[in-house]
Amino acid sequence: GAGVSQSPSNKVTEKGKDVELRCDPISGHTALYWYRQSLGQGLEFLIYFQGNSAPDKSGLPSDRFSAERTGGSVSTLTIQRTQQEDSAVYLCASSPGQSYYEQYFGPGTRLTVT
Amino acid sequence: TQLLEQSPQFLSIQEGENLTVYCNSSSVFSSLQWYRQEPGEGPVLLVTVVTGGEVKKLKRLTFQFGDARKDSSLHITAAQPGDTGLYLCAGRSGSARQLTFGSGTQLTVLP
Repeated sequence: GAGVSQSPSNKVTEKGKDVELRCDPISGHTALYWYRQSLGQGLEFLIYFQGNSAPDKSGLPSDRFSAERTGGSVSTLTIQRTQQEDSAVYLCASSPGQSYYEQYFGPGTRLTVT
Repeated sequence: TQLLEQSPQFLSIQEGENLTVYCNSSSVFSSLQWYRQEPGEGPVLLVTVVTGGEVKKLKRLTFQFGDARKDSSLHITAAQPGDTGLYLCAGRSGSARQLTFGSGTQLTVLP
């Protein structure tokens, strides 16, 4: 498909385990964003990648959270030693470039920490 | 920390009624966007406004950006059940690339 894809769509994990969430942006989009959304709420910015520049990690809530983007395309968000408060929907978005206003969102990964 | 407050948080109306959703902040934004999100999906962009006082119309939806670029409103005329969803405003400050989102307005339009 032509849109942003994310996997898995749902993830249930036990407290203390590590999880990896994947995002495939729209082909050719140089900007990639991760957000977190609690139930029925707005989105909380986590991290931003733009081309080969150093990522903006200012939104990561703790050092248990990290993300990488390989080859300027696919991104992985890793949460180590998950806690129950990490339960949320993790959304990825991509944009054609830093001059574009539009962000195109994937369907999200619903993470549940038990 | 820049905050965007949306009101109302929940809105349930009958088909055919009009409604307005508000998005307010004490901070100035260089641009403001409105998104609609349906269950199990990511937000979908409806409109971007960049100029203070700007008004944009998208069929039955009218978006306004405040003169001071601190607030915005979304007005829906003759709401339809297909308008049901979570409406989110999101602002971009200065040269920042990430968006600051409001907490959302859950709209339900009853047939």
